[in-house]
Amino acid sequence: DVKVTQSSRYLVKRTGEKVFLECVQDMDHENMFWYRQDPGLGLRLIYFSYDVKMKEKGDIPEGYSVSREKKERFSLILESASTNQTSMYLCASSSLGGTGELFFGEGSRLTVL
Amino acid sequence: AQRVTQPEKLLSVFKGAPVELKCNYSYSGSPELFWYVQYSRQRLQLLLRHISRESIKGFTADLNKGETSFHLKKPFAQEEDSAMYYCALSETYNTDKLIFGTGTRLQVFP
Repeated sequence: DVKVTQSSRYLVKRTGEKVFLECVQDMDHENMFWYRQDPGLGLRLIYFSYDVKMKEKGDIPEGYSVSREKKERFSLILESASTNQTSMYLCASSSLGGTGELFFGEGSRLTVL
Repeated sequence: AQRVTQPEKLLSVFKGAPVELKCNYSYSGSPELFWYVQYSRQRLQLLLRHISRESIKGFTADLNKGETSFHLKKPFAQEEDSAMYYCALSETYNTDKLIFGTGTRLQVFP
């Protein structure tokens, strides 16, 4: 059974804290993605990666950075969390080839106080 | 710019009624379009893709390039169809970089 695992389901942080969201996939996928999901706004792409040590900005990268040191792991970093980053964060992966099937994690709900 | 529009935030129907979830897109090239679904307390997952021209769980979706639409349809809704549905467009073939719509919540009442 294919799996994308997000390490934290729920986090509560304070404004200004550094936050790490971890994502691991066991499918040997080349592509990995971070989206945020907000009611009424749908899913918006933050960053994506096609290969180790490679990253590209999505539609809303401001305030975020990412790291991909190993193929199976893609981390999202909030350098200084702000209240407007309170959201559900979804990690996804897919294989190279453009089939359009993304495999999603269960999500990490982040609350910034 | 590429865009996916789902005009309805909420669609409520009774069991056995037909369902149509609307999706319109803007894209200059040949789009790849998808429907994703998220059931309560489950992961977001692919429901169907237009290139497969398949029916999944009784749902179908036809790409209408003239109307730039990809509406999701089911002739007889079931209670287990209640979920959040997202229409998505692949921006560039072979990259899997998807642009999602804002989603429509389908509620099917008994």
